[in-house]
Amino acid sequence: AQKITQTQPGMFVQEKEAVTLDCTYDTSDQSYGLFWYKQPSSGEMIFLIYQGSYDEQNATEGRYSLNFQKARKSANLVISASQLGDSAMYFCAMREFSSYNTDKLIFGTGTRLQVFP
Amino acid sequence: GAGVSQTPSNKVTEKGKYVELRCDPISGHTALYWYRQSLGQGPEFLIYFQGTGAADDSGLPNDRFFAVRPEGSVSTLKIQRTERGDSAVYLCASSWNPGQGISDTQYFGPGTRLTVL
Repeated sequence: AQKITQTQPGMFVQEKEAVTLDCTYDTSDQSYGLFWYKQPSSGEMIFLIYQGSYDEQNATEGRYSLNFQKARKSANLVISASQLGDSAMYFCAMREFSSYNTDKLIFGTGTRLQVFP
Repeated sequence: GAGVSQTPSNKVTEKGKYVELRCDPISGHTALYWYRQSLGQGPEFLIYFQGTGAADDSGLPNDRFFAVRPEGSVSTLKIQRTERGDSAVYLCASSWNPGQGISDTQYFGPGTRLTVL
């Protein structure tokens, strides 16, 4: 079964600094997708970035980048130049997909990031 | 365009009552998903619709839970004989078309916070 592990319950970072949020995964599939979502205190899950297992380059979206190390089965999120508005829960997720039989995201337990001035 | 919307935003009910939670997906999205998020946890998959049919309902915890999507757009999650353990945030997500590939992204609504007294 697929599994996502986020070992950092909480992280602190000073404004304008970079921070890395860890994510490791377990799967026997050759083709898979990894996603990061941000969940502010308002509760909505906001999509940040996606990495496909066959993508040769690490994904980047503005200040977000994904450090994808396939052999280590890790997909860490890097946030550069942190802002106070980045304070939120961050979830790593893997997509379990099989034709039209199943399609679901498997989430980790999340990391709470707090950015201080 | 408008995102995924969910109503009500909050629902308080008494043990044993029946509740309905509504999800309105992004226009044109063929796939719709329900997740449940307990306090301090990541979302857990409940059910996946492709069009009007439930393609995967393996995440529904028991037969008190049921969901419909009669016209392939709006979905309703129905919970009978609610129990205190059903208290959680119920999240709905939609995506364009999972058949297009592993990168198909799920976009989430703000959730419904259900409290069973």
